[in-house]
Amino acid sequence: EADIYQTPRYLVIGTGKKITLECSQTMGHDKMYWYQQDPGMELHLIHYSYGVNSTEKGDLSSESTVSRIRTEHFPLTLESARPSHTSQYLCASSDSQGTAGGNEQFFGPGTRLTVL
Amino acid sequence: SQQGEEDPQALSIQEGENATMNCSYKTSINNLQWYRQNSGRGLVHLILIRSNEREKHSGRLRVTLDTSKKSSSLLITASRAADTASYFCAPKSGGSYIPTFGRGTSLIVHP
Repeated sequence: EADIYQTPRYLVIGTGKKITLECSQTMGHDKMYWYQQDPGMELHLIHYSYGVNSTEKGDLSSESTVSRIRTEHFPLTLESARPSHTSQYLCASSDSQGTAGGNEQFFGPGTRLTVL
Repeated sequence: SQQGEEDPQALSIQEGENATMNCSYKTSINNLQWYRQNSGRGLVHLILIRSNEREKHSGRLRVTLDTSKKSSSLLITASRAADTASYFCAPKSGGSYIPTFGRGTSLIVHP
């Protein structure tokens, strides 16, 4: 079944730890995105990718990094987590045509990160 | 890319009533999309309306678009408790492939 997956769903870690949030999609989409969202607030785009070996920073400055070595995989890494990184992280994908050319995005279930 | 602004920020209604949410944007668009987000989950695409369309229906959802006022509305008819969620609009302009999202409208439907 075509879908988009995120792991872990919940993560509680201590300050200074290195973490990687996983995102995989089985829809063959070329575009993938990472958003950060605090409760009740807007989604902030932090990274996106138009295809393999293509990554760009989004509107919100982030200390995280991403890689896109395979079409289906778009992991996000924090080298040294801090309490200010506590948030929900949403991964999404879309293809160049989307629904009637509209670039509909498909979202994963999110990873809720808490840094103590 | 531009961000849509949803209004109201919060809406509380009884089951069976209709819910109307509005979205305003600033510059001309190619299309506008509406998404739903259940608490603590990712967003789910609901409906897309193109700039040359004025109204679109999908089940209990009705979306209108007024490009002269740079606004759109989402109507949910005969609401159910399961419609409780946040609703976001995402206007898409020019060659941008990236929707941007506002704070959304938080809808609570009481059984």
